[in-house]
Amino acid sequence: DTGVSQDPRHKITKRGQNVTFRCDPISEHNRLYWYRQTLGQGPEFLTYFQNEAQLEKSRLLSDRFSAERPKGSFSTLEIQRTEQGDSAMYLCASSYGSPSYNEQFFGPGTRLTVL
Amino acid sequence: DAKTTQPNSMESNEEEPVHLPCNHSTISGTDYIHWYRQLPSQGPEYVIHGLTSNVNNRMASLAIAEDRKSSTLILHRATLRDAAVYYCILRDHNYGQNFVFGPGTRLSVLP
Repeated sequence: DTGVSQDPRHKITKRGQNVTFRCDPISEHNRLYWYRQTLGQGPEFLTYFQNEAQLEKSRLLSDRFSAERPKGSFSTLEIQRTEQGDSAMYLCASSYGSPSYNEQFFGPGTRLTVL
Repeated sequence: DAKTTQPNSMESNEEEPVHLPCNHSTISGTDYIHWYRQLPSQGPEYVIHGLTSNVNNRMASLAIAEDRKSSTLILHRATLRDAAVYYCILRDHNYGQNFVFGPGTRLSVLP
């Protein structure tokens, strides 16, 4: 257990439905990251927060995806009008200090299946 | 993209050393080389990172080539618990400073 928790751990939804995932980082960590991972691939960066500010979003991130981190604590990732191609593991990570060399602590992930 | 190249898979016998190679010929002078691993059904976990000099910690050693275009992660005595996908990672300087994961090396450890 890294101290980063994600909820739910599994989500099955029908195409076209909206889903929301939650990430609780390690409490003193000011940086929070979301990644997506499909089978056989490494995690792919989606977006990044420093405190409550969303500083970067992947060029690959569709308009159907939105993320928030109110008050710089937990974060939510929402996917609207889900598509089958959204089926993946969604990982959250947190870190503190310089992004150049400080380690990221990953949560266990939320596995999304879109039917 | 900050690209790294790793073998798709490797095998090792338990209690033997394992050398996991990584090529990163496009590395810039200020890039740290990061290694993470992902055990089955878990998120990635930090293993080690380095800039220029070889690095050691309780999990592994990192040997960095003098020109920094390649590195090798060394597990001194592989255990069954070390079976995982190992990722060698640089940051993407073209777009932010975020990790760019490749597909990694799947390490199998045989008893």
